[in-house]
Amino acid sequence: QSALTQPASVSGSPGQSITISCTGTSSDVGGYKYVSWYQQHPGKAPKLMIYEVRNRPSGVSYRFSGSKSGNTASLTISGLQAEDEADYYCSSYTSSSTWVFGGGTKVTVL
Amino acid sequence: QVQLVESGGGVIQPGRSLRLSCAASGFVFSNYGMHWVRQAPGKGLEWVAVIWYDESNKYYADSVKGRFTISRDNSRDTLYLQMSSLTAEDTAVYYCVREIPSGGYFDYWGQGTLVTVSS
Repeated sequence: QSALTQPASVSGSPGQSITISCTGTSSDVGGYKYVSWYQQHPGKAPKLMIYEVRNRPSGVSYRFSGSKSGNTASLTISGLQAEDEADYYCSSYTSSSTWVFGGGTKVTVL
Repeated sequence: QVQLVESGGGVIQPGRSLRLSCAASGFVFSNYGMHWVRQAPGKGLEWVAVIWYDESNKYYADSVKGRFTISRDNSRDTLYLQMSSLTAEDTAVYYCVREIPSGGYFDYWGQGTLVTVSS
């Protein structure tokens, strides 16, 4: 049950686009559509941003999008805004009927 | 509206046991799989355990297997986590989380309860 691999930090200027990667194996990210992404502001509970690789829940900005290629999933934030500054975590269902999170990525808006 | 309210956290000595509870409201609790996810201070999220909607299956992270037990009481709309043989590495905020049926993702999270294992 090794954590999925995410970059520790990603930064961008307002209006730019950034992409956060999430690398796993064929036993988790690569093997299932059950990849999701969560946003967490300091002191708050995580919030669902993307589910089943690329679907946005109601109320989440269209600026957030997800994709997957092989064992790597990605979250793209377009038109970066100050309110997007937060920690982001990917998650995947695994072949062991368990779940695994990524180590988290701190997004900084310059 | 959906609410998940955890309780039972606190300071506990190493080697002791503690039970967390999560009171659910605003939805049909017995229709949903439920999870515990934890976050050590300043660290990332760690999945802990899942229990199916009907208690038919339970799965655990390797880090807690054999020490933690997840359970639920659908008549009381309550989720539990019994933790034993606690160590400092179990110090974390513990979140109660709802999983969308057959969706593999978490749509509602509680506010979390802090467990501190310290002598």
